[in-house]
Amino acid sequence: EAQVTQNPRYLITVTGKKLTVTCSQNMNHEYMSWYRQDPGLGLRQIYYSMNVEVTDKGDVPEGYKVSRKEKRNFPLILESPSPNQTSLYFCASSLRGSHSGNSPLHFGNGTRLTVT
Amino acid sequence: KQEVTQIPAALSVPEGENLVLNCSFTDSAIYNLQWFRQDPGKGLTSLLLIQSSQREQTSGRLNASLDKSSGRSTLYIAASQPGDSATYLCAVRPVTTDSWGKLQFGAGTQVVVTP
Repeated sequence: EAQVTQNPRYLITVTGKKLTVTCSQNMNHEYMSWYRQDPGLGLRQIYYSMNVEVTDKGDVPEGYKVSRKEKRNFPLILESPSPNQTSLYFCASSLRGSHSGNSPLHFGNGTRLTVT
Repeated sequence: KQEVTQIPAALSVPEGENLVLNCSFTDSAIYNLQWFRQDPGKGLTSLLLIQSSQREQTSGRLNASLDKSSGRSTLYIAASQPGDSATYLCAVRPVTTDSWGKLQFGAGTQVVVTP
């Protein structure tokens, strides 16, 4: 089954303790991206990757790191989490497609992170 | 910077009524616009994608229109059902020199269809 898999689904941690949220897709998609969703703010893009070893900042990259060593995986790293990073996180992927960008995004089921 | 707005934030309709959801964006230079559905505790599911050269897309009871010049898109859901209850989000892919990867989302419209 074609899917985007995020782990874990729920995570509670303490301020400053490094954590990684994994994201994997089995659709051979070039493009992958991370978003956070907060009440009243909608989804905001954190980082995205156009292909292996190619990553770029979205609108809210501060406090996050990513890497794209393999096509299928795009982990999100919080080196020193803080309470303001408590949020619902989504990973998504799509084909790179043509420059008109006509490939729909496929989303994972989300990771609910709480930083105390 | 591109801004995407969805009004109203919440909507309740009786079963059978047609749903009309609005999405507006400030910059008409876009590659495409996509509509998503989000169920509680779940990720987003793509409903329709309209390329910048298209005026509308249809899938079953869903129809989405795009008017780039006025910065508006409308999602119509015909003959609503309780199973249509969800939050609906729109997202645009803006055109800038290196921004194919960027995507701007609206905050969503929460829809409740009452039996």
